[in-house]
Amino acid sequence: GAVVSQHPSWVICKSGTSVKIECRSLDFQATTMFWYRQFPKQSLMLMATSNEGSKATYEQGVEKDKFLINHASLTLSTLTVTSAHPEDSSFYICSAIKGRMNEKLFFGSGTQLSVL
Amino acid sequence: AQKITQTQPGMFVQEKEAVTLDCTYDTSDPSYGLFWYKQPSSGEMIFLIYQGSYDQQNATEGRYSLNFQKARKSANLVISASQLGDSAMYFCAMTLGFNGGATNKLIFGTGTLLAVQP
Repeated sequence: GAVVSQHPSWVICKSGTSVKIECRSLDFQATTMFWYRQFPKQSLMLMATSNEGSKATYEQGVEKDKFLINHASLTLSTLTVTSAHPEDSSFYICSAIKGRMNEKLFFGSGTQLSVL
Repeated sequence: AQKITQTQPGMFVQEKEAVTLDCTYDTSDPSYGLFWYKQPSSGEMIFLIYQGSYDQQNATEGRYSLNFQKARKSANLVISASQLGDSAMYFCAMTLGFNGGATNKLIFGTGTLLAVQP
């Protein structure tokens, strides 16, 4: 079964509103989670690294004020797209590390965001 | 800079045949991990196989095997006995460092869309 839960699976919102996406590790504690963005027919691009109890580390070109990340507990990271615009429409997917080995990287099922 | 290259945008394979999906990588770091993920139309990323840069043998997981050629910096995925359910997008990815997970950022290739024909 899934070890990383992502919610919602899809969301449609009006331009200017904010949308929150949740990423939960179900049966393990994840001190580090990652948020990716994927445009249609393109690869995943890392947006930021979410660290429990500290500020997220954003990749170059990603607006930290636009994409707010909160990792308040060892099992939950949230991504909030603030004042969403149509160009923010994309597939957002999170991943979490289980244990200390690289290969134990699990992905959520993704969230399709459509901003009208 | 680290980079993953998948040169096959799409491939067809007959059911029950084997198929090889190409992946080359570029890094100057001696410690790295190579991954293959499957992404069906539903969007989820399904882990298939992992190869560490210091692993002596090629990784295998059921019908999946990774042809790791370190000198050539290639990590091709071989799927044996293709099934219709194998039709999906396949991504090769790399992460640097595995000393306790210090760096686990995944760098993805552009993907290969595999279509299995009956």
